[in-house]
Amino acid sequence: DIQMTQSPSTLSASVGDRVTIACRASQSISHWLAWYQQKPGKAPKLLIYKASSLESGVPSRFSGSGSGTEFTLTISSLQPDDFATYYCQQYNTMWTFGQGTKVEIK
Amino acid sequence: EVQLLESGGALVQSGGSLTLSCAASGFTFNTYAMTWVRQAPGKGLEWVSTVTGGGERAYYADSVKGRFIISRDNSKNTLSLQMNSLGAEETAMYYCAKVGDTTMAIAHFDYWGQGTLVTVSS
Repeated sequence: DIQMTQSPSTLSASVGDRVTIACRASQSISHWLAWYQQKPGKAPKLLIYKASSLESGVPSRFSGSGSGTEFTLTISSLQPDDFATYYCQQYNTMWTFGQGTKVEIK
Repeated sequence: EVQLLESGGALVQSGGSLTLSCAASGFTFNTYAMTWVRQAPGKGLEWVSTVTGGGERAYYADSVKGRFIISRDNSKNTLSLQMNSLGAEETAMYYCAKVGDTTMAIAHFDYWGQGTLVTVSS
């Protein structure tokens, strides 16, 4: 099974900060990676798919990069609506989620 | 507008069974694989099962293989998950989601329902 490890688990940041979340796969997954945002009590929302493709309607401050085993989600300028938990997901072989990264207010 | 509405969540005793449903609208249901994802209280997301658009192939997480059955009725735009031999550790919100690619059953999930809560009492 492919394991996904996110870092950090928690991130404290301020509005306007550039934020980076890392996701590592236990084996190569090519570019078959997605990122989701989840707010408390709500369903996850797709942000990025195929490692770097921005889902329609998602603000351009979100971007994804990487391939193989190392991936990154970047928020170029953190907005109040962005405080949430973020998950990466591989879909190279079945599906596996990372454990999540909570972005909280500093 | 894509809409996914789950139902069937309930309080069930350990060892019991339950069937969840997901009513889909706003897209051509039979051309997309559909999936179930669960989230235990305060925990992360766990993929549970996926079925192809025509229903001919199903995929299961090892944790539910042999106990859960995913199915779909394309005439009614409905997805189902039959869960048997439930354990307390399977208490979770269960989400229905649409796979975001018509050409691949294994792809990202682009739309999610709001979830239905399953509580398994020990």
